[in-house]
Amino acid sequence: DGGITQSPKYLFRKEGQNVTLSCEQNLNHDAMYWYRQDPGQGLRLIYYSQIVNDFQKGDIAEGYSVSREKKESFPLTVTSAQKNPTAFYLCASSTGRRNQPQHFGDGTRLSIL
Amino acid sequence: GQNIDQPTEMTATEGAIVQINCTYQTSGFNGLFWYQQHAGEAPTFLSYNVLDGLEEKGRFSSFLSRSKGYSYLLLKELQMKDSASYLCAVDSNQAGTALIFGKGTTLSVSS
Repeated sequence: DGGITQSPKYLFRKEGQNVTLSCEQNLNHDAMYWYRQDPGQGLRLIYYSQIVNDFQKGDIAEGYSVSREKKESFPLTVTSAQKNPTAFYLCASSTGRRNQPQHFGDGTRLSIL
Repeated sequence: GQNIDQPTEMTATEGAIVQINCTYQTSGFNGLFWYQQHAGEAPTFLSYNVLDGLEEKGRFSSFLSRSKGYSYLLLKELQMKDSASYLCAVDSNQAGTALIFGKGTTLSVSS
């Protein structure tokens, strides 16, 4: 079955540590996105990529980095510069065409130790 | 600026009809999406509107008025499993095809 896989489901970060969240899709989608969800805040865009080897900052990119070396994969690194990383992180993908919905992974919940 | 407003919480009873409103002010508009999200799970797509009017899909319908910057999601014959958050999201053409999300409306359905 086609879909988006995020791993791990739960992740703990120590002070000063970088952690990487995985996102893989087998939907043959061109566009991929990372959102952060905090209680009562809705989803906020961190980074997005419309095509392989290209990505752009979203509204809250500070303290995060991404890569898009393969069409199927869009990993997100939460760096030590992100001082408040505790949140639910959602990865999504779409065809990249305007009227097509985004499909979401099951999310990764990141907490600070 | 970009702003999407939804009520924070709503309650309803099984079998009833509920309307969740969404107003938006964005610098561009290419369409509006509604998603359902159960607690701790991924959002799932419900509906898409780009033209004015009503789109019906089973128990769920969505309405759009572009001139008023307004949409609503209508849920009929409510069931307990409809208890979830409902997210309004706009494709504003400001960040590729990424969406701007409202904060979501948490709907509680009681028996």
